[in-house]
Amino acid sequence: AQSVTQLDSQVPVFEEAPVELRCNYSSSVSVYLFWYVQYPNQGLQLLLKYLSGSTLVESINGFEAEFNKSQTSFHLRKPSVHISDTAEYFCAVSETGTASKLTFGTGTRLQVTL
Amino acid sequence: DAGITQSPRYKITETGRQVTLMCHQTWSHSYMFWYRQDLGHGLRLIYYSAAADITDKGEVPDGYVVSRSKTENFPLTLESATRSQTSVYFCASGTVLNTGELFFGEGSRLTVL
Repeated sequence: AQSVTQLDSQVPVFEEAPVELRCNYSSSVSVYLFWYVQYPNQGLQLLLKYLSGSTLVESINGFEAEFNKSQTSFHLRKPSVHISDTAEYFCAVSETGTASKLTFGTGTRLQVTL
Repeated sequence: DAGITQSPRYKITETGRQVTLMCHQTWSHSYMFWYRQDLGHGLRLIYYSAAADITDKGEVPDGYVVSRSKTENFPLTLESATRSQTSVYFCASGTVLNTGELFFGEGSRLTVL
């Protein structure tokens, strides 16, 4: 079985500042990794995913995450955040071969202020 | 409109009553899931289904029942609601081909008094 740890429950940051949301996972087998975003009163939406290949993956709105197998991490970064990035961010993992069955972390609340 | 819809969006019920949360998707996705979201726990998988008439337990199945007679519907029933089942419930769907991209409904907020 796999598990996900998101070390920060809340991350406050000023607009245009960089941000990193941390995610570590545990699994005895190969995994796929995901970041989902949840805006207030909405369901989750896929932000980006790592399945194979390049360990650095990017989203269309400027976020990126790097798969680090040795450190079992998949931290999410953005060099300059916007007010509209305020949301809850969830890291998730699945075992390869059961890609649709995700295990989620507890979430990190990103609060961007002026 | 295409998508995944949940109903009701809000429900208040009393301990011991039966409650059914509905989930309908229009994409013909083979996989469907029910998660509950609680503060400090993130999302936890209750049940999932790989296809019609195929369901399996997730991490927290106790007290819940599911069925999937049609590909597009995946109702979740609380046979005798308890206060600990107060939560926000999310239905999701996906295909193996999309490898991990789940499409979520907007959630059903359930309060058990």
